[in-house]
Amino acid sequence: AQTVTQSQPEMSVQEAETVTLSCTYDTSENNYYLFWYKQPPSRQMILVIRQEAYKQQNATENRFSVNFQKAAKSFSLKISDSQLGDTAMYFCAFMNAGGTSYGKLTFGQGTILTVHP
Amino acid sequence: GAVVSQHPSWVICKSGTSVKIECRSLDFQATTMFWYRQFPKQSLMLMATSNEGSKATYEQGVEKDKFLINHASLTLSTLTVTSAHPEDSSFYICSAHPIGGSDNEQFFGPGTRLTVL
Repeated sequence: AQTVTQSQPEMSVQEAETVTLSCTYDTSENNYYLFWYKQPPSRQMILVIRQEAYKQQNATENRFSVNFQKAAKSFSLKISDSQLGDTAMYFCAFMNAGGTSYGKLTFGQGTILTVHP
Repeated sequence: GAVVSQHPSWVICKSGTSVKIECRSLDFQATTMFWYRQFPKQSLMLMATSNEGSKATYEQGVEKDKFLINHASLTLSTLTVTSAHPEDSSFYICSAHPIGGSDNEQFFGPGTRLTVL
């Protein structure tokens, strides 16, 4: 079974600054996907960024980028130029690329990020 | 973009009654939908995988007789909480994997808050 660990229950950052959220995972699989989801106060889950494990290049989406270290099983999220609207709970998630657990997401505990003006 | 709706968005019921929650994919079809449960300020836990035209598969520890899932069409899955008790109070979220979508793609509904008195 896969596990996802987010060791930072809460983080805060000043507007316009950069913050990094940590995530580690444990799996015996070689092919998988990793995700960061954002859950604002509305509780709607929003995909922030995804990474395919077979790709060495780190994914980027505008102000969001990841540092994917496959050997270390680490998948951190960097938010640049933080905005007030980034305030939310952030979840790291794992999905196996095949097999019986295909499509199932395993989530970390979440990190509450607060952006201060 | 792909939209998933849930109905109702919130519901209050008396202990011992049953509650049905609907999950609909509005602009795409999905053979597979997922049901998650989230307690306040906690992570999402996968409850079951809903498969169109076949029985749902439940995660370990989830009572299939208590949480009835029906995936009657390619755009609708329902979760019925039978004989609800206060400990069933939670936030229930569904997600849908679109037919023809990429392997790791799924879209989340806005969630349903269930309160059992």
